[in-house]
Amino acid sequence: SQTIHQWPATLVQPVGSPLSLECTVEGTSNPNLYWYRQAAGRGLQLLFYSVGIGQISSEVPQNLSASRPQDRQFILSSKKLLLSDSGFYLCAWSVGSYGYEQFFGPGTRLTVL
Amino acid sequence: AQSVTQLDSQVPVFEEAPVELRCNYSSSVSVYLFWYVQYPNQGLQLLLKYLSGSTLVESINGFEAEFNKSQTSFHLRKPSVHISDTAEYFCAVRNTGTYKYIFGTGTRLKVLA
Repeated sequence: SQTIHQWPATLVQPVGSPLSLECTVEGTSNPNLYWYRQAAGRGLQLLFYSVGIGQISSEVPQNLSASRPQDRQFILSSKKLLLSDSGFYLCAWSVGSYGYEQFFGPGTRLTVL
Repeated sequence: AQSVTQLDSQVPVFEEAPVELRCNYSSSVSVYLFWYVQYPNQGLQLLLKYLSGSTLVESINGFEAEFNKSQTSFHLRKPSVHISDTAEYFCAVRNTGTYKYIFGTGTRLKVLA
C-alpha cells in the first residue's frame, strides 16, 4: 500500500532563517506531488506541484521554492523565512494521468517568530 | 477562472440532527468533485468523490453528496450526525484535463451534545 511521510511534524524558526520541509511517498511510482499551505480560516493554498522529476509548477510567487530531486521526494525550501510563512504545510500525491483523488500527508506545523 | 465556494464557515448542529454542507464551483469544463475531512492537526482524508455516472455518491460513514451540474453544486449531507463528525470539511474540484485541485475555504462542523 502507498504511504506518504512528512517531516518534521512541527517546526519553530526565527524570521530570516532557512527552511527545508521534506515529503516522500512510498508504494507508487511517478506520482504527481503537491505542496499546500493552510492558514487559519483560509483553506488550502496550492503552492507548487510536480508531475515528474525536476519539473515544478509554481502557483503563488513568494519566497518559497520547491524541488523534486527523486521520483518520490518533494522538498519545500526557503532561504529567508517571513512571519507570513507561518502555517500548516501539507504534501499530497495523486497517481499520474489517471489519478483522481489526492492523498495527503500528516502535515508540518511551521511557526515563524 | 475555476473556483470553489463554501458559503458556511461554521455549522453547529445537535447530535442526531441532519446536516448539509454547501459547495458550489465554477468551471467551464468537465470536473471531478471531492469532499475531504480534516481532524485537528492532521492531514486531509478523502470522504467521497464524484468522477462520473450516478450523481449521488456515498461514503462508508453515512455521508452523501449529490452532483448537480445545472446548479454547479456538490452539497454534502448526513441524515444524523454524531459527535465524532466534528471536523473541518473541504470541497475540492479538479478539471478533467489538468493536475490541479482547487479547494474551498472549508466548513467547520461542530456537533453539539
